[in-house]
Amino acid sequence: DVKVTQSSRYLVKRTGEKVFLECVQDMDHENMFWYRQDPGLGLRLIYFSYDVKMKEKGDIPEGYSVSREKKERFSLILESASTNQTSMYLCASSSFLDGEKLFFGSGTQLSVL
Amino acid sequence: AQSVTQLGSHVSVSEGALVLLRCNYSSSVPPYLFWYVQYPNQGLQLLLKYTTGATLVKGINGFEAEFKKSETSFHLTKPSAHMSDAAEYFCAVSPYTGNQFYFGTGTSLTVIP
Repeated sequence: DVKVTQSSRYLVKRTGEKVFLECVQDMDHENMFWYRQDPGLGLRLIYFSYDVKMKEKGDIPEGYSVSREKKERFSLILESASTNQTSMYLCASSSFLDGEKLFFGSGTQLSVL
Repeated sequence: AQSVTQLGSHVSVSEGALVLLRCNYSSSVPPYLFWYVQYPNQGLQLLLKYTTGATLVKGINGFEAEFKKSETSFHLTKPSAHMSDAAEYFCAVSPYTGNQFYFGTGTSLTVIP
């Protein structure tokens, strides 16, 4: 069965800390995405990647960076966490051949204190 | 530019009643349209999609949606609500396959016994 795994379900960090959110997919998908989900705002795209070592900015990239050293893994990095980055973070992947269907992980609820 | 508007952030229906969740889109090119569902503490999963062809699309769990170009709408319906339908529903638009998806703000569906 298709699987997108996010390393942590809940994460609590302090302001100014460097935070890594990890996402792994086992479907050999080319495309991977990071969204944040906030009440009343829906899902907003942070970054996406179509291939290894490739990245594109989404709608709200400020304060974030990403890394894709291997096809199956897409990491989201908060260089210096701030309280306004408290949110639910969702990772997703899709195949180049069937890009209409996104597969989502269960999400990481990040709290920055 | 692409965008999605979901009317009504919260919808309540009685068990067995009709479910209608509204979605209007804006797209500068022929759109691909999607409905995703998010159950509590889970990631999003695809309910149904419209790409080309028949404008009435059937999805999982008895849901269906109709693409109406003249109204720029893609409303989600189900004839008879079940308790297990309680979830958050997101409408999304994509200008072309495999690339960016633009999500609405979501509609939380409550089913009253």
